[in-house]
Amino acid sequence: DAKTTQPPSMDCAEGRAANLPCNHSTISGNEYVYWYRQIHSQGPQYIIHGLKNNETNEMASLIITEDRKSSTLILPHATLRDTAVYYCIVRSTMDSNYQLIWGAGTKLIIKP
Amino acid sequence: EAQVTQNPRYLITVTGKKLTVTCSQNMNHEYMSWYRQDPGLGLRQIYYSMNVEVTDKGDVPEGYKVSRKEKRNFPLILESPSPNQTSLYFCASSLSLRGRRETQYFGPGTRLLVL
Repeated sequence: DAKTTQPPSMDCAEGRAANLPCNHSTISGNEYVYWYRQIHSQGPQYIIHGLKNNETNEMASLIITEDRKSSTLILPHATLRDTAVYYCIVRSTMDSNYQLIWGAGTKLIIKP
Repeated sequence: EAQVTQNPRYLITVTGKKLTVTCSQNMNHEYMSWYRQDPGLGLRQIYYSMNVEVTDKGDVPEGYKVSRKEKRNFPLILESPSPNQTSLYFCASSLSLRGRRETQYFGPGTRLLVL
């Protein structure tokens, strides 16, 4: 079973920041939080990942709470092309198999 | 351009007719994996390979075979396809299993229909 909980769907206005929450209350100390997205049945695309510090790259920012039980992915200026299913995944770097346990994700719809 | 390619992208076949879906990556990645995606079930791992000649089962390996004779290629073989293998298939690769190089790159997907 997926170790994360995400809302099934969200809307956001084009040009605004999209904030996608993820709950991972059972996360352990060596588990990273990963975010991927999948645009309409295309191959999933990596967005960002982090352990405990906030992270930022050219696509998004990842804010992890101090207790690491939840996180938020922020798309700072959402465009129509950001409409996709966003997956929040936790994974230990100690796993012998690089397996991501995929949940249902959040379907983000960007509206003009 | 760094990429993972899959062929064919779409395939309709009949029960019992052997087929192979090819996967190739040009990034010199060690790790490769196959997933299937079904409505309501998310992505599930079929097989993975940590390097040449090293393969192992994922969560749903029944009815599938793989091989890893070269680093860049990881074909998925269905010896006797059945209708319950109708699905969307993704190949993925990763440079390593550690640190910031472990992000996975996915192919465009192969949509398979078994009649």
